Amino acid sequence: DAGITQSPRYKITETGRQVTLMCHQTWSHSYMFWYRQDLGHGLRLIYYSAAADITDKGEVPDGYVVSRSKTENFPLTLESATRSQTSVYFCASSESILRTQYFGPGTRLLVL
Amino acid sequence: EDQVTQSPEALRLQEGESSSLNCSYTVSGLRGLFWYRQDPGKGPEFLFTLYSAGEEKEKERLKATLTKKESFLHITAPKPEDSATYLCAVQADSGNTPLVFGKGTRLSVIA
Repeated sequence: DAGITQSPRYKITETGRQVTLMCHQTWSHSYMFWYRQDLGHGLRLIYYSAAADITDKGEVPDGYVVSRSKTENFPLTLESATRSQTSVYFCASSESILRTQYFGPGTRLLVL
Repeated sequence: EDQVTQSPEALRLQEGESSSLNCSYTVSGLRGLFWYRQDPGKGPEFLFTLYSAGEEKEKERLKATLTKKESFLHITAPKPEDSATYLCAVQADSGNTPLVFGKGTRLSVIA
């Protein structure tokens, strides 16, 4: 089924471990985005990408790394997870920066 | 700095009791204002985009309106299935800037 998917949907890890969250879209959208959603903060942009091999920082990029070797995939890596990175992570995509963003179902990450 | 403020934070309505949610924004120039609905445990779902003051859009019991400083999401005769968090986001007119989201309004409709 076409759309945007995220994996895993739930993840528990420990402080200091590396974690990669995956995002895949089938619309061939140019733009992809990573957000985190926390109580009291709403959705905050971590990183975004305009195309393969083009990425840019959002509001809260520290502690995260992204890559985009293929248009349809946009993985988010926490190189050394911290408890403050416990959150719900959403991936989104859009045809362009001016167009509507469509969101994936989210990944719930717990860092112990 | 672009800012989006949504009010109230939470709203509890009886079924059939109409009301409005507010989204106030501060941007150098508005390119677009977006409304999303988010159900618990799910990703935001797109509802509307508004581009200029005076514009209105409707979908079932929802109507979104836009002025130069704020947007309203009017909910007419709500039903329990309208219970969700409603998010507002703005895109500024300057360069290729991503969306800035408000913190949302959590709506509960009681039967």
